[in-house]
Amino acid sequence: DAGVIQSPRHEVTEMGQEVTLRCKLISGHNSLFWYRQTMMRGLELLIYFNNNVPIDDSGMPEDRFSAKMPNASFSTLKIQPSEPRDSAVYFCASSLGAQETQYFGPGTRLLVL
Amino acid sequence: AQSVTQPDIHITVSEGASLELRCNYSYGATPYLFWYVQSPGQGLQLLLKYFSGDTLVQGIKGFEAEFKRSQSSFNLRKPSVHWSDAAEYFCAVGAGAGGFKTIFGAGTRLFVKA
Repeated sequence: DAGVIQSPRHEVTEMGQEVTLRCKLISGHNSLFWYRQTMMRGLELLIYFNNNVPIDDSGMPEDRFSAKMPNASFSTLKIQPSEPRDSAVYFCASSLGAQETQYFGPGTRLLVL
Repeated sequence: AQSVTQPDIHITVSEGASLELRCNYSYGATPYLFWYVQSPGQGLQLLLKYFSGDTLVQGIKGFEAEFKRSQSSFNLRKPSVHWSDAAEYFCAVGAGAGGFKTIFGAGTRLFVKA
């Protein structure tokens, strides 16, 4: 299996632009997690899906952020409009269930100018 | 509120020496505890986890961790460090129903000297 796949690996955009990050889960996994990593705040859980349903989005910073799972194997995290403080590495992880091992993707490094 | 503290921002160990990375947590119920490793430019990889049972947990790459409820600690150990172990290590606690809400510590960066 190829593992969790994230695209793009790097994204540079200007403030105000829309950014879409993509994640493909490991086949058969039913739980999906989006994380953000910054120097200042470390690793933060943004949102958690189980069986395509958002279970907890309390970590989503504000309304500019939205996440979807249009099908069981794919998720998007959208930032609209983007701001410089959104610059971070965004990871998605998938697992067989909430308590099972989470497998992380390589991350998307986002820079908002 | 749930939290994880890793008191050491960075640690330097000689190759072949033993290693202990400290982790303290704050959580009201029985915690789910994890150690992850992150190499530069990579995602996180799970080293080991504790849900219940034996308090000494064996993981991959020769790592182990011991859960001590009385001390609210879950320290990571390795008897002999290899240069390839240089990375950042994160302790985490699984909170929320089912433990899905993973709260990470700030991380400890391990440097290995020859």
